[in-house]
Amino acid sequence: GQNIDQPTEMTATEGAIVQINCTYQTSGFNGLFWYQQHAGEAPTFLSYNVLDGLEEKGRFSSFLSRSKGYSYLLLKELQMKDSASYLCALMDSNYQLIWGAGTKLIIKP
Amino acid sequence: GAVVSQHPSWVICKSGTSVKIECRSLDFQATTMFWYRQFPKQSLMLMATSNEGSKATYEQGVEKDKFLINHASLTLSTLTVTSAHPEDSSFYICSARDLGQDAGTQYFGPGTRLLVL
Repeated sequence: GQNIDQPTEMTATEGAIVQINCTYQTSGFNGLFWYQQHAGEAPTFLSYNVLDGLEEKGRFSSFLSRSKGYSYLLLKELQMKDSASYLCALMDSNYQLIWGAGTKLIIKP
Repeated sequence: GAVVSQHPSWVICKSGTSVKIECRSLDFQATTMFWYRQFPKQSLMLMATSNEGSKATYEQGVEKDKFLINHASLTLSTLTVTSAHPEDSSFYICSARDLGQDAGTQYFGPGTRLLVL
């Protein structure tokens, strides 16, 4: 079967760096996605990793290690608007997304 | 690119009525669209996968006769909540898979809030 774990909630300070981890178990793998979801809104796509390594997009970076079943989303220079839930999603062998429960990130001034 | 629209954004209706929600991919063709439901402070829950030109695939526990899905074109899928009841009140979100992007990234519509009185 498949399983995805990510922390329920994290708190960080404005201007700082935060790393949100996601671990998974799966028999088939076609990539790992990160989405951002602000309260009351639909998710928006942040990143996609299918090969090992780090993908950087401005203040956001995503890392993948397939052998370890591990990914993280790194947010730099945190801004108050980054307060949101961050969803890790695994694409299985059938190209279906398996969603993590999401990590609520709270940014404090 | 990769814009998905959803209409309406808000619906308030009386119990027993049917509500139709439209999901459109505006700048790409989507053979596959997805319908999710999300209750307050809960995770996204996949309801069904909508395939253009064929029947939708429903997740376990989702009543296909209550949540009718039609995917008649490559840019439009509709979800009809039939005989809606207060417990159907939720945030309904569609997504469309863009096969031209990384393994078919799903892009989400803005969601539809349904309140059944």
